[in-house]
Amino acid sequence: GESVGLHLPTLSVQEGDNSIINCAYSNSASDYFIWYKQESGKGPQFIIDIRSNMDKRQGQRVTVLLNKTVKHLSLQIAATQPGDSAVYFCAENMNSGYSTLTFGKGTMLLVSP
Amino acid sequence: KAGVTQTPRYLIKTRGQQVTLSCSPISGHRSVSWYQQTPGQGLQFLFEYFSETQRNKGNFPGRFSGRQFSNSRSEMNVSTLELGDSALYLCASSTKVDYGYTFGSGTRLTVV
Repeated sequence: GESVGLHLPTLSVQEGDNSIINCAYSNSASDYFIWYKQESGKGPQFIIDIRSNMDKRQGQRVTVLLNKTVKHLSLQIAATQPGDSAVYFCAENMNSGYSTLTFGKGTMLLVSP
Repeated sequence: KAGVTQTPRYLIKTRGQQVTLSCSPISGHRSVSWYQQTPGQGLQFLFEYFSETQRNKGNFPGRFSGRQFSNSRSEMNVSTLELGDSALYLCASSTKVDYGYTFGSGTRLTVV
């Protein structure tokens, strides 16, 4: 599922599967990237971040991969659970000295039991 | 520690009115940013405050304004409300040191 245009792409998986959510970021000057999870009625929740001097970072059940050559970011969720169902956003921060995030359009992840 | 607190959670206003939204950041966080979220445009940056100074502003009309107080609490104001201002308004805070942006649950504004 890649976030493009105004449509909200949907990724449907079965419980226990691994999920991969993709994101194309916009600015080659961006030096910091964050993945957020947003559940209905809530604000975005921080999942994992990565700086531009890295190409991979792992957390608990999640891995973020960064490919600066093609300006691509991905979020891998291992052993996806129904509680992972939400909209996932990637966000980038340019090295501007300001705490300003530019968000992708989001991908909806639906996990079936 | 307590998270980012936004009040009120829901608001219904009439076109032409003005509205003020409040955000209390995590204790110790000096940077507060505001975002507008709509189904059509997604999450868009409004402005960022640090130590009571607006450091950056997004591409929104002058009807949208904000401020930050000495205790880092922030308010945003929208004057002369339009139907298109209906959105979820989100506040995020960070220390700026670790870029750990934490969002509040937002204020859902409906303009009728």
